[in-house]
Amino acid sequence: NAGVMQNPRHLVRRRGQEARLRCSPMKGHSHVYWYRQLPEEGLKFMVYLQKENIIDESGMPKERFSAEFPKEGPSILRIQQVVRGDSAAYFCASSPGQSFNSPLHFGNGTRLTVT
Amino acid sequence: GEDVEQSLFLSVREGDSSVINCTYTDSSSTYLYWYKQEPGAGLQLLTYIFSNMDMKQDQRLTVLLNKKDKHLSLRIADTQTGDSAIYFCAESWEGTALIFGKGTTLSVSS
Repeated sequence: NAGVMQNPRHLVRRRGQEARLRCSPMKGHSHVYWYRQLPEEGLKFMVYLQKENIIDESGMPKERFSAEFPKEGPSILRIQQVVRGDSAAYFCASSPGQSFNSPLHFGNGTRLTVT
Repeated sequence: GEDVEQSLFLSVREGDSSVINCTYTDSSSTYLYWYKQEPGAGLQLLTYIFSNMDMKQDQRLTVLLNKKDKHLSLRIADTQTGDSAIYFCAESWEGTALIFGKGTTLSVSS
């Protein structure tokens, strides 16, 4: 049973470019969460999605960031016009149900570097 | 409020016990979790405890929950060098995603 798959593992973008991060949840999991980890910081919640729906995006910056989880295919976190402050590790997690009673399973993350 | 606090560093010798502490602020937390992160990797779920429990033991790991003081601890018995990692405490309650602390870096020396 494959775990949560994220790709790419490392992504380098120049300021102003777009970054697209992909996440395939574990088989049977329909809930996806995106977290951001800045150096020396814990994980900060960004967005929670179920298939085709955004449930909670209270942690997403209001501009340049968007997320989707289509009926078919992986969840995508999209960052437009990246800036240096976007450099971080972005982790995706999935669960079969809501996180408060279903432990999250994390992918290995995508490390974004903005030059 | 939502705030999970952990000490940043812990250093122990191989074979000793490690105790990593965490405090949280929301008394309505339903589940409390411990995750482990090794360098360059994602977070691995170690164990979790439901808020109506005081203690949970799983092999070398013991979780203690003091709900009155909102204090959670993770004890690792017979700590090994392979236990060196960052340990994150996290809380959740109905309708929210996990809230994480900043992590405790455990360093194990031989």
